[in-house]
Amino acid sequence: QVQLQESGPGLLTPSQTLSLTCTVSRGSITSSTYYWAWIRQSPGKGLEWIGSIYHTGSPYRKSSLKSRLTISLDASKNQISLKLNSVTAADTAMYYCARGRKSGYEMYYFDSWGRGTAVTVSS
Amino acid sequence: DIVMTQSPGSLPVSLGERATINCKSSQSVFHSSNKKNHLAWFQQKPGQSPKLLIYWASTRESGVPDRFRGSGSVTDFTLTIDSVQAEDVAVYYCHQYHSVPPTFGLGTRVEIK
Repeated sequence: QVQLQESGPGLLTPSQTLSLTCTVSRGSITSSTYYWAWIRQSPGKGLEWIGSIYHTGSPYRKSSLKSRLTISLDASKNQISLKLNSVTAADTAMYYCARGRKSGYEMYYFDSWGRGTAVTVSS
Repeated sequence: DIVMTQSPGSLPVSLGERATINCKSSQSVFHSSNKKNHLAWFQQKPGQSPKLLIYWASTRESGVPDRFRGSGSVTDFTLTIDSVQAEDVAVYYCHQYHSVPPTFGLGTRVEIK
């Protein structure tokens, strides 16, 4: 059974860059059956999709975050990465990495989630 | 973006009773290409990440007890828990994957009366 493990800094100050990594085990991120996503959860906004990336490296990003957000994958390390520039308190949330099923370029449901990593942005 | 509206926000039920959670999408999530409703349900227990229960509106994920049932089509969906158990205390979310961005409902908290 695939396992996803997020890692990140925990605490940032406003304007810093958030860098998160999702390490996947018991499964390959280059499998064409799946895509990979970042989802965050905050008390005020519930579950919010941030972006996704295919095994080919093609990313999809939430439009409101597009200018600040980079999602990439490293096949040699079996990792997916997220970088979010110029963070504010509004970016405070639990960040999850998830695996999604797909068919061609159609993205379907998320079938596995990591445990999440908590991120707080505060001065 | 497709807005997912869940009701009720909180649902107190007695052990062994049936729980019914509703989810309404602001647009159809039925995909004509595969004739399926692109709707999933997740369960999130305290301190845990969401867990997939149902996809394609009514298909149970492997290992999910058969007391969990998904139904509905187009814009109106229901998650039913037949005979609620103590371990079913959680927040339940509906989720559409018909359109980008994928979106979630705000959740329904199931608690024991």
